[in-house]
Amino acid sequence: GENVEQHPSTLSVQEGDSAVIKCTYSDSASNYFPWYKQELGKRPQLIIDIRSNVGEKKDQRIAVTLNKTAKHFSLHITETQPEDSAVYFCAALGYSSASKIIFGSGTRLSIRP
Amino acid sequence: DARVTQTPRDKVTEMGQEVTMRCQPILGHNTVFWYRQTMMQGLELLAYFRNRAPLDDSGMPKDRFSAEMPDATLATLKIQPSEPRDSAVYFCASALLTSGDTDTQYFGPGTRLTVL
Repeated sequence: GENVEQHPSTLSVQEGDSAVIKCTYSDSASNYFPWYKQELGKRPQLIIDIRSNVGEKKDQRIAVTLNKTAKHFSLHITETQPEDSAVYFCAALGYSSASKIIFGSGTRLSIRP
Repeated sequence: DARVTQTPRDKVTEMGQEVTMRCQPILGHNTVFWYRQTMMQGLELLAYFRNRAPLDDSGMPKDRFSAEMPDATLATLKIQPSEPRDSAVYFCASALLTSGDTDTQYFGPGTRLTVL
């Protein structure tokens, strides 16, 4: 079945700097890769997603890149702000996993003032 | 702004008691997921339904957990008997999955379960 690995587990960056979180997946049939942000005590919320027919997608300060050959995808946050502090989860979904999204283990991002 | 709702938001119970958590998916969504979140295990998929039929419950301890969808507007997760190790936040999520495509999962606010 699908396996998703996420790194790093914790990340601390200076406000204004960039943050990068990386994930790898095992199922080559995976075709949908969402990223969720979870603030303390809140529900996970989708912040950006990418489908397998696209290599990169950007939404303001957030971008996601996908390398299907290497089976990895990354989240890039530029000009980080205090409100970016949260746990970020990557996920992958593929037909071979019967439309079951598999989540990575999460990255706790802290923005230092 | 349609949202997934869950009740109760918090539940404290004693070991051995039955616990029932409820979820109302977004109207029109055909897929419902149950997740458990702990500090140690992250987000674990327990079970999910498509058009009210259970598709996968391999993540769920079968001896004490059960999940059902009595109708399209209600999903339930039951634990009987509950144990302290079941303490976690339980999230429900719903999505509209169509043939050949995928869609976003929307999470409910979660039920924080504490078993003493």
